[in-house]
Amino acid sequence: ETGVTQTPRHLVMGMTNKKSLKCEQHLGHNAMYWYKQSAKKPLELMFVYSLEERVENNSVPSRFSPECPNSSHLFLHLHTLQPEDSALYLCASSRDRGTGGAEAFFGQGTRLTVV
Amino acid sequence: GQNIDQPTEMTATEGAIVQINCTYQTSGFNGLFWYQQHAGEAPTFLSYNVLDGLEEKGRFSSFLSRSKGYSYLLLKELQMKDSASYLCAVLDSNYQLIWGAGTKLIIKP
Repeated sequence: ETGVTQTPRHLVMGMTNKKSLKCEQHLGHNAMYWYKQSAKKPLELMFVYSLEERVENNSVPSRFSPECPNSSHLFLHLHTLQPEDSALYLCASSRDRGTGGAEAFFGQGTRLTVV
Repeated sequence: GQNIDQPTEMTATEGAIVQINCTYQTSGFNGLFWYQQHAGEAPTFLSYNVLDGLEEKGRFSSFLSRSKGYSYLLLKELQMKDSASYLCAVLDSNYQLIWGAGTKLIIKP
């Protein structure tokens, strides 16, 4: 238990579906992140929110849409995904964005399969 | 470009010692992290190095040489529960974490 909770743990969706991933942290952290983890590849940073403001968007396709309504919650809205989007999606939080030594706490991820 | 290299997979024996290497080429350096990730679980923080030298934390130690762009994670007295992937990540000059692909460590009895 890392203090970061993600739901659902597993999701299978069709290419025409719309779904949302949810992340919640009550650690008092100011920064939250979405990562994509594919097999045998480095973690790919998708979005960064700092104090509820999106500060980074690493050229992610528009079919992924993040939302941060408050400092404790982060969503990733999905629509018209492609099979290559199948991966483990990890949420993380840290005390502040990028402060040296401030470790990130990860959720257990959502295993997404696009069919 | 920015790059983190670490071996894809390593095998070691229970009770032994294993060293997992990580080399990096990044735009700036603000520290290096090691994370452990068991299959199907969240990555968890193991260590952080920002100065050269060895940091020891129980059975795990992490070493950094900034001039060589090199770090290693040393695991002693290996236990079966140490079977996991070990992720190396560097904080660059923009305070962005650059991740390696991870090293899958297999422990055999």
